[in-house]
Amino acid sequence: KQEVTQIPAALSVPEGENLVLNCSFTDSAIYNLQWFRQDPGKGLTSLLLIQSSQREQTSGRLNASLDKSSGRSTLYIAASQPGDSATYLCAVRPFQGAQKLVFGQGTRLTINP
Amino acid sequence: GAGVSQSPSNKVTEKGKDVELRCDPISGHTALYWYRQSLGQGLEFLIYFQGNSAPDKSGLPSDRFSAERTGGSVSTLTIQRTQQEDSAVYLCASSLGIQGGEQYFGPGTRLTVT
Repeated sequence: KQEVTQIPAALSVPEGENLVLNCSFTDSAIYNLQWFRQDPGKGLTSLLLIQSSQREQTSGRLNASLDKSSGRSTLYIAASQPGDSATYLCAVRPFQGAQKLVFGQGTRLTINP
Repeated sequence: GAGVSQSPSNKVTEKGKDVELRCDPISGHTALYWYRQSLGQGLEFLIYFQGNSAPDKSGLPSDRFSAERTGGSVSTLTIQRTQQEDSAVYLCASSLGIQGGEQYFGPGTRLTVT
C-alpha cells in the first residue's frame, strides 16, 4: 500500500529565505506526483505536476524535483514571501490506470514578515 | 466559470439526516473525483468517474455513501443517515481523463453533523 509522508508537519521561516519542503513515498512505482497548496478554508490549488519520467518542474519561484528510485520529492521555494504561507500537500498517483491520488498530511508553512 | 464548483459551501445537518453535495467539473473534463478531508485523517479518495465507465467506488467508507454523475458532467455525492464521523470537508476534482492528467480541485463543501 502506497504511503506518503511529509516532514516537517509545520515550518516557520522569515521572509526572503529559500526553503525546501520534503515528500517521501513508500512505493517507487508511481505514475506522477503533484504538489498542491491549500489556504485555510479553501480547496487545493495545483502548483506543479511531475511525471515519473521527469526529474524536475519549475514554475516561477517554485521548483519541484523527483527522485523516484529513492521515493522522494522536494519543493523548493525561492525568496519566500508572506503570501506563500499555506499548507503544502504532495500527492502521488500510484501507477498507470489508477486514477486516485494518495496524499501526504501536508506541511503548514508560515512566512514571517 | 473556469474552475470546479461545489455547492453548498457549508452544510450543517442533524445526525440521521440525508445530505446531497454537488460538484460541477471543468467543462470538457471527463474524469471526476470525490475526496474527503478530515481532521487527523488527511485527504482520502472516495470515488472516481471516467466517461461512461463504471465508477471506481473503492474509497467509499460505507454503504451510506453513494454518488452519481449525470450526463457525464455534474456529480452528486449522497450521504444517508449521517453520523458525526461524517463531518469533514468534501472535495471534488476533475481532470481531462487522459492517463496522468492533472487534477483540479473545487473549493469543497464543509459538512458538519450535529
